Amino acid sequence: QVQLQESGPGLVKPSETLSLTCTVFGGSVNSGSYYWSWIRQPPVKGLEWIGYIYYSGSTRYSPSLKSRVTMSVDTSKNQFSLKLNSVTAADTAIYYCARESSGGADFDYWGQGTLVTVSS
Amino acid sequence: QSVLTQPPSASGTPGQRVTISCSGSSSNIRSNYLYWYQQLPGTAPKLLIYRNNQRPSGVPDRFSGSKSGTSASLAISGLRSEDEADYYCAAWDDSLSGPVFGGGTKLTVL
Repeated sequence: QVQLQESGPGLVKPSETLSLTCTVFGGSVNSGSYYWSWIRQPPVKGLEWIGYIYYSGSTRYSPSLKSRVTMSVDTSKNQFSLKLNSVTAADTAIYYCARESSGGADFDYWGQGTLVTVSS
Repeated sequence: QSVLTQPPSASGTPGQRVTISCSGSSSNIRSNYLYWYQQLPGTAPKLLIYRNNQRPSGVPDRFSGSKSGTSASLAISGLRSEDEADYYCAAWDDSLSGPVFGGGTKLTVL
């Protein structure tokens, strides 16, 4: 059974960089079959896709966040990561990592989510 | 403003059949698969329907999905109290080159 687990600071100051890591258990980020994804959900709002990273390191980001997002993958640790720079209060959200199975919107496994608050 | 449009709320009584709609455009729903996610309170979303009308293992057959043109629907029959959750539709969008979600529908079981 695949499990994903997010980790990282729960509080980030405005203008700084949000950094999160997702560790994959029961599966391999080195698999060519999946796209490793980040999705966020502001408080009492809907879901917003942030981007994907493939095992090879190729990425695809949301056009609205592209200028501030960097994703990376560490196959030796079976992890992938998200960095979002120049954060503001609008970036306060629950951040989920998820596995996407088809290069589309097929998110079949999700982490439990981690709340990141942007505040001074 | 979400790319896919869902009603903000829906409700039904136990045993009833409820449908939730999802409206999009030719760049998303018409030309790509549609997915539904269920988010129980305080938990991560869970894949409920994939590729328009397929159920992952473990999802009861009370849940069904359909798609026609630029719209899709999720139907829940034999409504149960544990179905009370937020439901999101999602699809790839060719114009944005990424997946897009609906704004979510909060289902209340009366």
